[in-house]
Amino acid sequence: DTGVSQNPRHKITKRGQNVTFRCDPISEHNRLYWYRQTLGQGPEFLTYFQNEAQLEKSRLLSDRFSAERPKGSFSTLEIQRTEQGDSAMYLCASSLPRPRQPNYGYTFGSGTRLTVV
Amino acid sequence: GQQVMQIPQYQHVQEGEDFTTYCNSSTTLSNIQWYKQRPGGHPVFLIQLVKSGEVKKQKRLTFQFGEAKKNSSLHITATQTTDVGTYFCAGHGGGGADGLTFGKGTHLIIQP
Repeated sequence: DTGVSQNPRHKITKRGQNVTFRCDPISEHNRLYWYRQTLGQGPEFLTYFQNEAQLEKSRLLSDRFSAERPKGSFSTLEIQRTEQGDSAMYLCASSLPRPRQPNYGYTFGSGTRLTVV
Repeated sequence: GQQVMQIPQYQHVQEGEDFTTYCNSSTTLSNIQWYKQRPGGHPVFLIQLVKSGEVKKQKRLTFQFGEAKKNSSLHITATQTTDVGTYFCAGHGGGGADGLTFGKGTHLIIQP
């Protein structure tokens, strides 16, 4: 297992189209997170799964965004009716199930860069 | 909601000089994590601090967690060109929410 894998690496879409991104986490990590990062900013939390259950979702997240993790393994993030403001790097991360362990931290994937034109 | 602020936003140093970035939270944190992101890369986990007043070292990097668990710092001694990147702090609030809140980061630029 070489880490968190995200596909595609780049996506260019026209405004109004739907897009879907995929994330394959580290296999023994049962927690999976989606973040969005724009240039010069820190990652912004979108949503989080523990196994297949979506446990937390940012209040700032538009209802055009939906995420799934149907079998508790890979996850997909879909954006419907894309807008230019959705252009960003979408990062997926996974982590171990015990947040109080000393080496607990997120392992991020390389991200999917979305450009809406 | 919880806010995490970092200063400075940018820091230029000569190679060999020390560097410090500061992180402040609007609320008490259950723990704080530090990440490094190289230009064009993704955030990479450095360390987690959990205890009030905790200090941890990783070679030339020293991390501190404030007594009130609302602030933290990262200090790099004798910077090297490999230290270039953006350093983010990220915190978990005390309300059980598991999504990390990241600061905007400090961009470290090193002049050889």
